[in-house]
Amino acid sequence: DTEVTQTPKHLVMGMTNKKSLKCEQHMGHRAMYWYKQKAKKPPELMFVYSYEKLSINESVPSRFSPECPNSSLLNLHLHALQPEDSALYLCASSQRAVNEQFFGPGTRLTVL
Amino acid sequence: SQQGEEDPQALSIQEGENATMNCSYKTSINNLQWYRQNSGRGLVHLILIRSNEREKHSGRLRVTLDTSKKSSSLLITASRAADTASYFCATDNTDKLIFGTGTRLQVFP
Repeated sequence: DTEVTQTPKHLVMGMTNKKSLKCEQHMGHRAMYWYKQKAKKPPELMFVYSYEKLSINESVPSRFSPECPNSSLLNLHLHALQPEDSALYLCASSQRAVNEQFFGPGTRLTVL
Repeated sequence: SQQGEEDPQALSIQEGENATMNCSYKTSINNLQWYRQNSGRGLVHLILIRSNEREKHSGRLRVTLDTSKKSSSLLITASRAADTASYFCATDNTDKLIFGTGTRLQVFP
């Protein structure tokens, strides 16, 4: 199985809501990533879990918090988001950091 | 910013023509990768070229790397309408990839 799955595909939320994005892979990869992508821009790395160690892009606001329950799952918890957080959120995994990355289809998030 | 620059930003060609995209980056690298993204979807890995390689082929794709100029190019030969997508180069930086600004390719039937 060479697939990375993401749920939900679309999410609309208000600024006071709490929601979570989910990502799963069954390729035995030890590195998983969250990216944020705005229209016509490249993906921007938010978080990396590599061998159970979290690395954070320091520019990511605290209203985003990642969680890695096990080596196959990666969640992104959302709280008190702003309209400018509306974007495509992509999850990816790789055997090791900087190897070929496998991307999920993304979650299209709209914050009202 | 460590982000790579891609050139051109947008490219429109007819089916059967070749498409060339260029990527310039700023720091030393271990490898450089190219990805394709169809509109609003996830990225798909195309090819990885290591810093000690100068050229690599995969099907209709040809990638070159010039580390002295900190640049790479992606050539798609005999393009098809299905090649319409955005193409990103990505360079490694310690434990993460830095994506370039991307080239939007449109192939007309």
